[in-house]
Amino acid sequence: QQQVKQSPQSLIVQKGGIPIINCAYENTAFDYFPWYQQFPGKGPALLIAIRPDVSEKKEGRFTISFNKSAKQFSLHIMDSQPGDSATYFCAANYASGGYQKVTFGTGTKLQVIP
Amino acid sequence: NAGVTQTPKFQVLKTGQSMTLQCAQDMNHNSMYWYRQDPGMGLRLIYYSASEGTTDKGEVPNGYNVSRLNKREFSLRLESAAPSQTSVYFCASSEWGGRGAYEQYFGPGTRLTVT
Repeated sequence: QQQVKQSPQSLIVQKGGIPIINCAYENTAFDYFPWYQQFPGKGPALLIAIRPDVSEKKEGRFTISFNKSAKQFSLHIMDSQPGDSATYFCAANYASGGYQKVTFGTGTKLQVIP
Repeated sequence: NAGVTQTPKFQVLKTGQSMTLQCAQDMNHNSMYWYRQDPGMGLRLIYYSASEGTTDKGEVPNGYNVSRLNKREFSLRLESAAPSQTSVYFCASSEWGGRGAYEQYFGPGTRLTVT
């Protein structure tokens, strides 16, 4: 049972465009929502994360928007660049003792065309 | 500081063969994880080790065993490989408890093909 649904599966934008990737979750126990970026042949790396007590977080050109009532969150990449071409995974965590249980979305492959 | 390292990078096995994937981290993290990544499936947790001396099953443990050799090393063993285990395997680590537990650090992956 997939607890975090991610869309779209793939996305192509022109340089300077604003790609938006959406995720929806079901489990209200989740209390941390990270986005991971993965380049080909590499492992995922944490890009940006948000907690459910805020509606938006910005770090450089990356913004997470969070809608707690709708149980949805999204990643926006401002002024996208060819170097942003990667696969992006949303995720949702909840604490189980000291261990963080993480559920990942299925990933979005982003291509930014020069 | 190498972070999380994995060996080998690539491996081809025949059905029924066994192998061990190695993982080591130099960040003094207590918790370590093994995931598999398949197209359209995201990352799925196979096993995790909250601390040295403990291991627990994740979402897809069947066909795998793990060993937490010491604080640094966490290995994944396939006793009798099957084509369904063709995947990319990632090891990750994190702190245990507190804010540091929220971020997982991933290795570069092992691409395994079972024929």
